[in-house]
Amino acid sequence: AQTVTQSQPEMSVQEAETVTLSCTYDTSESNYYLFWYKQPPSRQMILVIRQEAYKQQNATENRFSVNFQKAAKSFSLKISDSQLGDTAMYFCAFMKTYGQNFVFGPGTRLSVLP
Amino acid sequence: SQTIHQWPATLVQPVGSPLSLECTVEGTSNPNLYWYRQAAGRGLQLLFYSVGIGQISSEVPQNLSASRPQDRQFILSSKKLLLSDSGFYLCAWAQDYYNSPLHFGNGTRLTVT
Repeated sequence: AQTVTQSQPEMSVQEAETVTLSCTYDTSESNYYLFWYKQPPSRQMILVIRQEAYKQQNATENRFSVNFQKAAKSFSLKISDSQLGDTAMYFCAFMKTYGQNFVFGPGTRLSVLP
Repeated sequence: SQTIHQWPATLVQPVGSPLSLECTVEGTSNPNLYWYRQAAGRGLQLLFYSVGIGQISSEVPQNLSASRPQDRQFILSSKKLLLSDSGFYLCAWAQDYYNSPLHFGNGTRLTVT
């Protein structure tokens, strides 16, 4: 079974600075997908970014980028130029190709400080 | 575009009462549907998922059940609520192709008193 680990329960960063959230996973699959979701205080789950395991190029979405290390089974999220609106819980998630089940990590609570 | 509706947004129910949470998806057909539960400050626990009408897979034995009476409708139920059923319930859908992400509803905060 797949597991997803986020070793940082809480983090904080000053506004406009850069922060990196860690995620590691365990799987025997060769093809899969990884996602980062954001859950602000409103509790709405929002997709931030996704990465396909067969692509070596790291995904980027505006201020959000990932560092995907397949051999190390690591999938970290970098937030550049942090904004107050980035304050949220961030969840890392794994999905097998053609799988119906998404496995989520326990989350990292990020606070952006003014 | 696709949208997902989940209701009610909040619910306070006494122990032993029944429960029905409903979720509908618009703008797509034959989606995979999911119910997750999130305890306060915790991660997401998958409760049920469905790949088609009448097809329900349960991930965790519990006091809850799910049904999918129509293609884009997913219902979470209980005959008798327990205190431990309190939490934040999220419905989600994904298109049935290989790299579809999950799309979530706004959630239901359930408090069992």
